[in-house]
Amino acid sequence: DQQVKQNSPSLSVQEGRISILNCDYTNSMFDYFLWYKKYPAEGPTFLISISSIKDKNEDGRFTVFLNKSAKHLSLHIVPSQPGDSAVYFCAASGSSGNTPLVFGKGTRLSVIA
Amino acid sequence: KAGVTQTPRYLIKTRGQQVTLSCSPISGHRSVSWYQQTPGQGLQFLFEYFSETQRNKGNFPGRFSGRQFSNSRSEMNVSTLELGDSALYLCASSLESQGGETQYFGPGTRLLVL
Repeated sequence: DQQVKQNSPSLSVQEGRISILNCDYTNSMFDYFLWYKKYPAEGPTFLISISSIKDKNEDGRFTVFLNKSAKHLSLHIVPSQPGDSAVYFCAASGSSGNTPLVFGKGTRLSVIA
Repeated sequence: KAGVTQTPRYLIKTRGQQVTLSCSPISGHRSVSWYQQTPGQGLQFLFEYFSETQRNKGNFPGRFSGRQFSNSRSEMNVSTLELGDSALYLCASSLESQGGETQYFGPGTRLLVL
């Protein structure tokens, strides 16, 4: 049973345009959400997070939106750059101490110059 | 501040052997979690250690074990290796606990079982 789902395995976007990556979750105990970026043969790099008390968090070109009622979050990258090409993982956890991070299976983003 | 380090970066073993992987967390971080990444399954949680105690465990067989030392460094061990254990093993650290905190990942150890 996948508690965190990224339904699009891949996404192609032109340089300069907006990239929107989506993530759905099923566990209503999740209240902390993160996005990681991963290049081949490297560990995931933390990008941005959001807690359930917010519906938006912004950091430079990256914005995460959280819709709790729909159990959906999205990552917007504006403007997209070729260096953004990587696999993006959505992850979720509860805020209590004994809740491990649960990851989606990732979306491969290709930004075309 | 130095990031999470993992050794070795690459490892080749044969079926039936055992392997030990090492992880040094970010200075000051007390929680260390281990994940297995395979192409089909994504990142799967193995276990988490906090203050030398295993605090959480994923759905993996008992062949997978770990420990944490007083300096927060952690090791994971896989005994009686199987072909399906070939994967990227990732370690992540956070300040206190998994919940509600950002975990920072190391570069991983790529294990190939022949």
